[in-house]
Amino acid sequence: AQKVTQAQTEISVVEKEDVTLDCVYETRDTTYYLFWYKQPPSGELVFLIRRNSFDEQNEISGRYSWNFQKSTSSFNFTITASQVVDSAVYFCALSESHPRGSSTLGRLYFGRGTQLTVWP
Amino acid sequence: KAGVTQTPRYLIKTRGQQVTLSCSPISGHRSVSWYQQTPGQGLQFLFEYFSETQRNKGNFPGRFSGRQFSNSRSEMNVSTLELGDSALYLCASSLDYGHYNEKLFFGSGTQLSVL
Repeated sequence: AQKVTQAQTEISVVEKEDVTLDCVYETRDTTYYLFWYKQPPSGELVFLIRRNSFDEQNEISGRYSWNFQKSTSSFNFTITASQVVDSAVYFCALSESHPRGSSTLGRLYFGRGTQLTVWP
Repeated sequence: KAGVTQTPRYLIKTRGQQVTLSCSPISGHRSVSWYQQTPGQGLQFLFEYFSETQRNKGNFPGRFSGRQFSNSRSEMNVSTLELGDSALYLCASSLDYGHYNEKLFFGSGTQLSVL
């Protein structure tokens, strides 16, 4: 079963538009961790944010904001006033609590990614 | 501080050969994980190493193996290559001291093409 679903395969917007990338996850653990990564054409996955399951505070960082809702198992990502440099593939990922109960990450389950293209 | 370094960046092999990929984690990071990325399957977890021990393994055949050295550097090996092994192989490292804010840092990957 897919643990992380990113229903949007591709999104195209024009510069300065706001865009929201959806992420829905599935886990039976009560402690888990959610991530967003950005993958530009160079291939490297760039860390954007980590959110812990016990911390439902939404977060804003510059033009980026994240909406975490446990009730709907969603962790959506919004880019405000998009720019051409935001064009990339964005991945949502889930890490469940390590079997030994520590806060180590173990493996990440990634969604299939959303290709965002921002046109000038 | 240098990031995660993977070598080589590109590799071309033929079916039946074997290949070894290398990963140097960020200095001080103790955990190294490997992921395979393909257009068809997306990003899939291969294995995770910590203190030279494999701690976690994904659903890949035994042809895929890895190891970690005492300096935390890691290698992964794929024997008897198949066409389907063509992929971007990504390495990630983390501190793994049980930090509240633990995160994975990824390298740029090794693009393997099997002909």
